[in-house]
Amino acid sequence: EDKVVQSPLSLVVHEGDTVTLNCSYEVTNFRSLLWYKQEKKAPTFLFMLTSSGIEKKSGRLSSILDKKELSSILNITATQTGDSAIYLCAVGRGGSGNTGKLIFGQGTTLQVKP
Amino acid sequence: KAGVTQTPRYLIKTRGQQVTLSCSPISGHRSVSWYQQTPGQGLQFLFEYFSETQRNKGNFPGRFSGRQFSNSRSEMNVSTLELGDSALYLCASSFRTGGLQETQYFGPGTRLLVL
Repeated sequence: EDKVVQSPLSLVVHEGDTVTLNCSYEVTNFRSLLWYKQEKKAPTFLFMLTSSGIEKKSGRLSSILDKKELSSILNITATQTGDSAIYLCAVGRGGSGNTGKLIFGQGTTLQVKP
Repeated sequence: KAGVTQTPRYLIKTRGQQVTLSCSPISGHRSVSWYQQTPGQGLQFLFEYFSETQRNKGNFPGRFSGRQFSNSRSEMNVSTLELGDSALYLCASSFRTGGLQETQYFGPGTRLLVL
């Protein structure tokens, strides 16, 4: 059965800290791994990683895909209170029978204290 | 470009009733996927529509159904509501061509409470 597991499930840090969120997956026909940030309602897209793009960076956020270890990390440097959210990892599979479906992990709840 | 919109944002129903939720994708996006989000199960895939056809379906009972219109807007329907259907229903759109998995952009969701 396809599985996406995130760790830790929750994390409390102070402003300025650096955090690393983990995502591991066991899926057949892996195609892409996506990171989302969910604050109130809608998950907001952060990064998509594939075989042709295993490292992405945007400002203080960066992510790496390790296809050998079937995992990904999301790094946030110099955290701010506005980074407090649930971070979701999702995996997409290839093949016509898998289109439109993302398999999500449980999410990591990050709280950044002033 | 306007984002994904969903209506209504909040809904309260009683057991046994049915409900219809609506989703308008980002302009130009042709694929719409629906997800159910609950504290216990997280985000679970319901179904995906592309060019008015259901292309993929998750493991939900037949009470959950959907459709897509020619303008790519989509609706999902839940009949004979149960207490366990209380959840946040999210729709996501993507451009999607040639069967490639494209980035999905989510709407704000519809919060459904079944009493």
